[in-house]
Amino acid sequence: EVQLVESGGGLVQPGGSLRLSCAASGFTFSNYWMYWVRQAPGKGLVWVSRINSDGNNTNYADSVKGRFTISRDNAKNTLYLQVNSLTTEDTAVYYCARGKYVVGVWGQGTTVTVSS
Amino acid sequence: QSALTQPASVSGSPGQSITISCTGTSSDVGGYSYVSWYQQHPGRAPKLMIYEVSNRPSGVSNRFSGSKSGNTASLTISGLQAEDEADYYCSSYTSSSTLVFGTGTKVTVL
Repeated sequence: EVQLVESGGGLVQPGGSLRLSCAASGFTFSNYWMYWVRQAPGKGLVWVSRINSDGNNTNYADSVKGRFTISRDNAKNTLYLQVNSLTTEDTAVYYCARGKYVVGVWGQGTTVTVSS
Repeated sequence: QSALTQPASVSGSPGQSITISCTGTSSDVGGYSYVSWYQQHPGRAPKLMIYEVSNRPSGVSNRFSGSKSGNTASLTISGLQAEDEADYYCSSYTSSSTLVFGTGTKVTVL
């Protein structure tokens, strides 16, 4: 079964950091581009970052550029998102998702809450 | 990186057809045949309903169909059912090699 399982979310103070992880199984992880997409409470889906299949090409939304870093370990079938300098505006469910032109597989999400 | 524009809400009675629009630019919707549609029920992850403008993944009802004209894509749900009540998002590949999502449409079954 194709599966993506996120972890690493939690409650963090403004200015804090977290490392989100996404464990992939049931498919050849190294063949796929991967995305992080977030959804603030009551709001829509927003693309955050993407990484190509071998990890040497990345993109970021302007709102997170310089604060978030996407990476992957194809040997461990795991996608990461290092999130630094968090603000309340970063409070959201963070989904990892598989695809390049189409996001066909989504994880269940991990919740990041930024609050003092 | 502006979101694609969708109507905030669309409603219909059971059995009716509804259409949701998704408007972008020539750098996303108009420039590629990589428009997708997602259904999201409350508290759940999004589910792919349409990919590459008009293709349905295995297991998705043929009541869902997609099309595109210029910079605007559309999702039509025919034979509306209570289970179709959900939020719907479009997305498109972009000239920046990223994805952009729509603003989302809440579908209500009356």
